[in-house]
Amino acid sequence: NAGVTQTPKFQVLKTGQSMTLQCAQDMNHEYMSWYRQDPGMGLRLIHYSVGAGITDQGEVPNGYNVSRSTTEDFPLRLLSAAPSQTSVYFCASSYPGTAIGLGEKLFFGSGTQLSVL
Amino acid sequence: AQTVTQSQPEMSVQEAETVTLSCTYDTSESDYYLFWYKQPPSRQMILVIRQEAYKQQNATENRFSVNFQKAAKSFSLKISDSQLGDAAMYFCAYRSGQISGNTPLVFGKGTRLSVIA
Repeated sequence: NAGVTQTPKFQVLKTGQSMTLQCAQDMNHEYMSWYRQDPGMGLRLIHYSVGAGITDQGEVPNGYNVSRSTTEDFPLRLLSAAPSQTSVYFCASSYPGTAIGLGEKLFFGSGTQLSVL
Repeated sequence: AQTVTQSQPEMSVQEAETVTLSCTYDTSESDYYLFWYKQPPSRQMILVIRQEAYKQQNATENRFSVNFQKAAKSFSLKISDSQLGDAAMYFCAYRSGQISGNTPLVFGKGTRLSVIA
């Protein structure tokens, strides 16, 4: 299994540009989420989804959009990139919460390093 | 909302010695999970150990063990016989145990561990 796949691994944008960070998982996980990691701040939740067609905001949702049209994919869109969005982005997924012994563990992608100039 | 606090931004340990990383959390829930994740320079998030709140016994995984004090809301990680490969950023994380739905993982800000040869 490929697990959680994030693309691209690195990206440089100019202020105002838009782009989509891709995240796909092949484990039939219901739960998917996006985090950003900044020095000294740990990982902060941007958006998450508990299933296809359902999304919700996390701690730092401003400037980001998500959609969940399929179970496998959970793209993160930056509509107008800003330097404050320079960060490392992680996608993570897990089994349903009712899957005792499985549901609580998150599977992470390898991250996307994004720089906004 | 739940919060996770790691009070040690940086720690160091001599090779083969033991080190303890601290973590405290705040929650009003009785059912939850706690985790320690390791992030080496490769950026990959690696699950080190997990603890279910309903279990009184402290979790152990080879050289890694936790001291879970539920009443004190404390969840420290002990690394025994430290190895050079243990050098990494370590994140403490909390996840609600609600079975009614999937819930996000809340992270601390991390502790950077250096291992001295």
